[in-house]
Amino acid sequence: GQQVMQIPQYQHVQEGEDFTTYCNSSTTLSNIQWYKQRPGGHPVFLIQLVKSGEVKKQKRLTFQFGEAKKNSSLHITATQTTDVGTYFCAGRRGSSNTGKLIFGQGTTLQVKP
Amino acid sequence: DTGVSQNPRHKITKRGQNVTFRCDPISEHNRLYWYRQTLGQGPEFLTYFQNEAQLEKSRLLSDRFSAERPKGSFSTLEIQRTEQGDSAMYLCASSPRLSTLEVDTQYFGPGTRLTVL
Repeated sequence: GQQVMQIPQYQHVQEGEDFTTYCNSSTTLSNIQWYKQRPGGHPVFLIQLVKSGEVKKQKRLTFQFGEAKKNSSLHITATQTTDVGTYFCAGRRGSSNTGKLIFGQGTTLQVKP
Repeated sequence: DTGVSQNPRHKITKRGQNVTFRCDPISEHNRLYWYRQTLGQGPEFLTYFQNEAQLEKSRLLSDRFSAERPKGSFSTLEIQRTEQGDSAMYLCASSPRLSTLEVDTQYFGPGTRLTVL
């Protein structure tokens, strides 16, 4: 079945360092979303990418969707302690814009002050 | 708008017992999703409703699991004859009506943590 893989599983950085997590799908995705889950919390929507090669920025966060719509990345510049949490990518297959999301395993980010 | 709510927040049960969880979506959201999350993993899709119609159900879901959304508002997820492997966080999410070109985003509730002894 379709899988969405994320690497790395864990990342420890010093505050101020950059961080990147990568997401890869075995099949083409119609769109990809990113969520953040704080320890003990629930996933919170960050952004969605729909177009091939799309790049979106939210302050220190940069999101990319690959040309083939099979991979994505999230890059955080100059991490802060408030960035701590687990970042999940989630995609939909085919041309669907609703329905089942397939989540990656997540990348847990720890930031040392 | 108070967001998606789930009850109970925690449930401890003995193996073999039945449990039922409730999800109240954000008002006016017509789509409702159930996911299961275990430690160190991402949410795993279980089932999805549009209004009262159950449109998709995971093949991973055994016959012991059933979900309903009778009036297109709140939803219940029942697990019969619980097993220790059912221990997980059960997450509910809802999403609003969309125009044709929009992509739906999901708003998650706090989850119900199930522990099967």
